[in-house]
Amino acid sequence: DAGVIQSPRHEVTEMGQEVTLRCKPISGHDYLFWYRQTMMRGLELLIYFNNNVPIDDSGMPEDRFSAKMPNASFSTLKIQPSEPRDSAVYFCASSLNRVNYGYTFGSGTRLTVV
Amino acid sequence: AQSVTQLGSHVSVSEGALVLLRCNYSSSVPPYLFWYVQYPNQGLQLLLKYTSAATLVKGINGFEAEFKKSETSFHLTKPSAHMSDAAEYFCAVSEGTSYGKLTFGQGTILTVHP
Repeated sequence: DAGVIQSPRHEVTEMGQEVTLRCKPISGHDYLFWYRQTMMRGLELLIYFNNNVPIDDSGMPEDRFSAKMPNASFSTLKIQPSEPRDSAVYFCASSLNRVNYGYTFGSGTRLTVV
Repeated sequence: AQSVTQLGSHVSVSEGALVLLRCNYSSSVPPYLFWYVQYPNQGLQLLLKYTSAATLVKGINGFEAEFKKSETSFHLTKPSAHMSDAAEYFCAVSEGTSYGKLTFGQGTILTVHP
């Protein structure tokens, strides 16, 4: 298995532009999580899906953030419009429906908004 | 609600010395506990996990952790540090739900000196 695949690895964009981050979970995993990591705030859970349905989006910082999972093999996290404070590393992780399974993380997307 | 506290945001050891990274948890249900490692510019990788089968858990790269219920701890150790162990380490606890949503600690950065 190729693991959790995220694209792009790096993204530099100007303030006000739309940014779309992509994630392909491990085949067969039915949970997908989006995290944001910064020096100041550490790892923050933004949203997670079960069987393509958003379950908890309470971590999404603002209405500028949105996430979708149109099918079991693809998810997007969109920021529109982007702001410099959105600069962070965004991770996607997937998991099975087992309490002791743990997560498999992607390599992350490093977003820089200038 | 579950929570995780990692004592010490930075730990520095000499090569060949004992590594001890501390993790304490709070949980209202029997916990499932995890240690993840994050190397620079990479995603989080599962190091080991406690799932109630044995209190002493062995993981990859010579690491192990011991679950102590009386102390609500799950400290990570390695007898002899190697330069390649330099990374950030995260302790996490499962919320005990069917899907194993994880709560992460703030992370401990391990520095290994030659």
